[in-house]
Amino acid sequence: EVQLVESGGGLVQPGASLKLSCVASGFTFSDYWMSWVRQTPGKTMEWIGDIKYDGSYTNYAPSLKNRFTISRDNAKSTLYLQMSNVRSEDTATYYCTRERTTRYFDYWGQGVMVTVSS
Amino acid sequence: DTVLTQSPALAVSPGERVSISCRASEGVNSYMHWYQQKPGQQPKLLIYKASNLASGVPARFSGSGSGTDFTLTIDPVEADDTATYFCQQSWNDPRTFGGGTKLELK
Repeated sequence: EVQLVESGGGLVQPGASLKLSCVASGFTFSDYWMSWVRQTPGKTMEWIGDIKYDGSYTNYAPSLKNRFTISRDNAKSTLYLQMSNVRSEDTATYYCTRERTTRYFDYWGQGVMVTVSS
Repeated sequence: DTVLTQSPALAVSPGERVSISCRASEGVNSYMHWYQQKPGQQPKLLIYKASNLASGVPARFSGSGSGTDFTLTIDPVEADDTATYFCQQSWNDPRTFGGGTKLELK
């Protein structure tokens, strides 16, 4: 059974940094591109970016690429999202997703909440 | 960015057929995908590449369309289908989502 379990969320002050993790199981992690997607409290969904199966390439939504960094550790079957200089508009639930060839998301984690507030 | 427009809400009775639309601001070929999200849960893939049923999804769900106009159809609707349905395109960068259609059962 495919499982994606995110962690690392919480309350963070504006301007701070935060690193989210996603541990994958039930499939060969190193065979798949992975993505992060977020959902605001108003339910708007936004794709953040993805990373190639071997970690050699990343792609980001232009509005986020200067502050967010995606990485992975295939030995640990873990995906990461490093968030820097966070803003109130980054308040959202962040989902780790497995990505398929035509760039849709066939499995989603349960999500982790990030609240940016002073 | 490619904007995907969905109707905000629909209400139908169990046993009926419902069509949920998604219109793209520019062509996305057949690279449109549909997800179901129930309250408090993560999204679940229903349809990929416009018309392909994801694994384990009941055949009551179907998808159609190409270019800019796409439809997710549920026939017949069951009480368990109460959820928000999102479309997502992957033809143009960046990938974008529709605002979601909340389906309520009468």
